[in-house]
Amino acid sequence: DTEVTQTPKHLVMGMTNKKSLKCEQHMGHRAMYWYKQKAKKPPELMFVYSYEKLSINESVPSRFSPECPNSSLLNLHLHALQPEDSALYLCASSHGGEQAFFGQGTRLTVV
Amino acid sequence: DAKTTQPNSMESNEEEPVHLPCNHSTISGTDYIHWYRQLPSQGPEYVIHGLTSNVNNRMASLAIAEDRKSSTLILHRATLRDAAVYYCILTTPTRDDKIIFGKGTRLHILP
Repeated sequence: DTEVTQTPKHLVMGMTNKKSLKCEQHMGHRAMYWYKQKAKKPPELMFVYSYEKLSINESVPSRFSPECPNSSLLNLHLHALQPEDSALYLCASSHGGEQAFFGQGTRLTVV
Repeated sequence: DAKTTQPNSMESNEEEPVHLPCNHSTISGTDYIHWYRQLPSQGPEYVIHGLTSNVNNRMASLAIAEDRKSSTLILHRATLRDAAVYYCILTTPTRDDKIIFGKGTRLHILP
């Protein structure tokens, strides 16, 4: 199984809502990633987890809160988002240094 | 982080080879050269990676200059399905797990 599964595929949320994005992989990869992608722009790295510990936070606002409950799961908790946070959120996993596998993303709209 | 430079866009005819260039003049000895592509409405997809020697796989070939300051992704026979944004990325797994996307090259395939 070489898939990274992201749920939900689409999400619409209000600025006062709390929601979570989920990502799952069963390849035994030690590194997991969250990216944000705006239309016609490259993916922008947000967070990296290595061995279930947060190793990189690219100065992401605290309204985005990552969590890695176990080696297969990665969550992104969302709270008090702004309309400009609307984007495609991508999850990825890798062994570190080897190829990374990306999910199809969650398209988030903040209203 | 070492940077890569790619042309914004390229065109190629269907069923012809495509050579996508990437400059990385500040590459260090431990940096790997990765290529990913992103088809419309999909997550990025791994294409190929290498360190010093040229690499071939079922999707493409990677030609790395002797001084490693540039590389070329070669698609041997382009099809319409190869129309995508191609990203050349340097990673330093001995330091961290970062995968940072640059602007990439948008490849158009003409039928």
